[in-house]
This record gives sequence, C-alpha cells and structure tokens, in this order.
Amino acid sequence: EVQLVESGGGLVQPGGSLRLSCAASGFTFSTYWMSWVRQAPGKGLEWVANIDPTGNGKYYVDSVKGRFTVSRDNAKSSLYLQMNSLRAEDTAVYYCVRIPYVSGWYWFDPWGQGTLVTVSS
Amino acid sequence: QTVVTQEPSVSVSPGGTVTLTCGLSSASVSTGNYPSWYQQGPGQSPRTLIYNTNSRSSGVPDRFSGSMLGNKAALTITGAQADDESDYYCVLYTSRSWVFGGGTKLTVL
Repeated sequence: EVQLVESGGGLVQPGGSLRLSCAASGFTFSTYWMSWVRQAPGKGLEWVANIDPTGNGKYYVDSVKGRFTVSRDNAKSSLYLQMNSLRAEDTAVYYCVRIPYVSGWYWFDPWGQGTLVTVSS
Repeated sequence: QTVVTQEPSVSVSPGGTVTLTCGLSSASVSTGNYPSWYQQGPGQSPRTLIYNTNSRSSGVPDRFSGSMLGNKAALTITGAQADDESDYYCVLYTSRSWVFGGGTKLTVL
C-alpha cells in the first residue's frame, strides 16, 4: 500500500523557520516526481512545489520562491520542505503528494494526511 | 497570473446528475493542461477522482466521469448520492506550474 506520512508541522513565529518531512513507502520513491500542496484554514488547495526524481529539478509557486526549498533523500524515501522567513499567510495544512506519470499524463495521487503549520506570534 | 475557474457552489438532488466545470481565465483548457479532479470531504485529505481527462482513479465509482466540455474540463456525477456532498477541486498545469481551482462545494439535497 502506498503511504505518505508528513511530520514537522507546528507553531512558529513570523520570520521563523520550519522543516517538514514526508516518509514514503509502498512504491519506488526514486522514480517519482513529488509535490507539496497546502490548504489554508477554510480555503482551497494551493500547489507549493514540485521536485523531479533526481532532486535536480525544483519548481515553486511564486509566493514561496526564495523562502522555501524542496528536497529529497531517495535512499531514505523521504521528501522535505524547508520553510524560512515564514509569514502569517503560510499558515496551512501541508500535504505531501506523489505525482504519477503514465502515457504522458501527470496527476496528484495519493495524498498524505497533512501536517498543520501555524505562523503566529 | 493564471486563474483556474470553478463554480463556487452547486446543488443536486439525490439521484440526479450534475456537471462541474474547470476553466482557464485566459485560454481554453486542453489535454496539455493535464486536467484532473479531486474530492475532499470535511476534515479529510483530498482523494483523486479523475486524471487523463476521463480516467477514473482506482476504486472510484463509475458514476463519476470526466470529459472536455467546450473550452473547459468537466466532472459529471450521475446518480448523485448523499455521500457525494464534498468539495471538488480541479488542477491544471500551465506555464511550468500547477494551479488549483478555487473548488466547488457540492450540496446533495
């Protein structure tokens, strides 16, 4: 069974840092693109970042560029999101998501249970 | 800035059929945008419904179907059930990034 388990969320002050982790199991992690998607309280989903299977290709939504860094450790089947200079508007549940690729098609599946990040003084 | 449009709220009667749409503010949706659809119940993680425009994810009932409708992607629920009452999101790939729609809150009543 494919599983994605996030950890590392919590309460942090504005301007602070936090590192999220995602432990993957049940599939060959090193062959998949991976993604972080967030959801502010009561709001919709927002794509945050993608990383390619090698870890060399990284893509971000404009609002987090220069502040967030996505990375992965294929030996540990783990995905990370280093979040610096956090703002109140970064408060959200952060989901770790796998990106399957079949016959030229990409989508998001499955989704982890999410970890809550709260930025507040 | 690219905006993906969805109906904010839609209602359907039990057993009825409803179509939700997913559009782009500045262009037509195409297969090159890789449209896919997700269902999210209260307090739950999103669940994949449809990818590749009309491919159902594993375990998804066949009352859910995807299509292209004019210049938009569409999700149709045929024979709606009470537990289909959820938020539904589409996502599109555009300009080297992924953009989710604002979501549609489906009420079954």
